[in-house]
Amino acid sequence: DAGVIQSPRHEVTEMGQEVTLRCKPISGHDYLFWYRQTMMRGLELLIYFNNNVPIDDSGMPEDRFSAKMPNASFSTLKIQPSEPRDSAVYFCASSSAGSGGTEAFFGQGTRLTVV
Amino acid sequence: DAKTTQPTSMDCAEGRAANLPCNHSTISGNEYVYWYRQIHSQGPQYIIHGLKNNETNEMASLIITEDRKSSTLILPHATLRDTAVYYCIVLRTGNQFYFGTGTSLTVIP
Repeated sequence: DAGVIQSPRHEVTEMGQEVTLRCKPISGHDYLFWYRQTMMRGLELLIYFNNNVPIDDSGMPEDRFSAKMPNASFSTLKIQPSEPRDSAVYFCASSSAGSGGTEAFFGQGTRLTVV
Repeated sequence: DAKTTQPTSMDCAEGRAANLPCNHSTISGNEYVYWYRQIHSQGPQYIIHGLKNNETNEMASLIITEDRKSSTLILPHATLRDTAVYYCIVLRTGNQFYFGTGTSLTVIP
């Protein structure tokens, strides 16, 4: 497996524009997580899915952010409209449920810059 | 929810063992201790995890105290490529990983 794949790797957009980040989890994993990382706040969990269903979105900063998982192999994180303070690195991760603990595997991230 | 406390930064000489401590005094009986690291600009990388027994893999060893209130990650022979931020995480319900501020480890030549 190629691991968790995120696209694009870098995105520069103007304030007010819509931004869509994409994630392909590892095949067979039933959990998917979206994180945001900034210098000020570190790694923040935004939302996570189990079996394509959003379980906890309490970390989503505001209504401008939305996430979907239409099937087991694809998820999107959308920001509309984008603002400069949304500039960050966004990571997607996936894991599988199981007893005995299980690790999450992270993608390489999407570096978003909103100007 | 169990929280973790780690030193902000540490140095280690290349070739020596790096011992990274973590306090998790409010850990519950069924919560695991996980360690991840993040090398600059990359996604976090899983290192090791454990419940109450000591664990070892090809990357590191994890020593958990008998009362489970603290643990130590050991990199037996640190190399320059081990320079990274190391996160100690106590797994909450479900599979959500909440990251703290971590320990910035610098391996010195």
